Amino acid sequence: KNQVEQSPQSLIILEGKNCTLQCNYTVSPFSNLRWYKQDTGRGPVSLTIMTFSENTKSNGRYTATLDADTKQSSLHITASQLSDSASYICVVSARTSGTYKYIFGTGTRLKVLA
Amino acid sequence: GAGVSQSPRYKVAKRGQDVALRCDPISGHVSLFWYQQALGQGPEFLTYFQNEAQLDKSGLPSDRFFAERPEGSVSTLKIQRTQQEDSAVYLCASSLSEWVADTQYFGPGTRLTVL
Repeated sequence: KNQVEQSPQSLIILEGKNCTLQCNYTVSPFSNLRWYKQDTGRGPVSLTIMTFSENTKSNGRYTATLDADTKQSSLHITASQLSDSASYICVVSARTSGTYKYIFGTGTRLKVLA
Repeated sequence: GAGVSQSPRYKVAKRGQDVALRCDPISGHVSLFWYQQALGQGPEFLTYFQNEAQLDKSGLPSDRFFAERPEGSVSTLKIQRTQQEDSAVYLCASSLSEWVADTQYFGPGTRLTVL
């Protein structure tokens, strides 16, 4: 069964600290993996997207890694800011029968405190 | 700039009523997706359009759910005879092409509450 699991479920850190969010998946055949940031009451916003051959990708203070062998990804946030408080969702896509399916994780809720 | 818009933003329906949710994708975007997001959960895929063609509707939870995109732009998600378990935020997303790795741009969602 295609699944995407994220950890931790929630996280509280102090402003300026770094943190790492985890995503494990059992999706096949793997096509790509995305990280989204979702503010409360808003739609998700794309942070990074990685295909099978990419190990790391950065977007400002966000750095995503992908290990396709172990089927794990991480999102590292550097020098956190109050505006980083949001849910971070990992999404893995798989190609089946000529179309693509997107399997969403349940997200990690990050709270950054001053 | 114009992003994905959805209307209404909030909808309250009595159980058994029919509802229609509208999505206006970014102009020129080929792909359009509908997702259902229950409280505290990640979005769940419902259906996918490439232009006016509904290529995947495997995520629609029952035959009470119906989606269309007749002219390849605006899309409507219709839910007939709403049930309490239909209460969720319904998200629409669009992407520029049919390429799987294209960024999906999400709308703000429609929060549906079924009483």
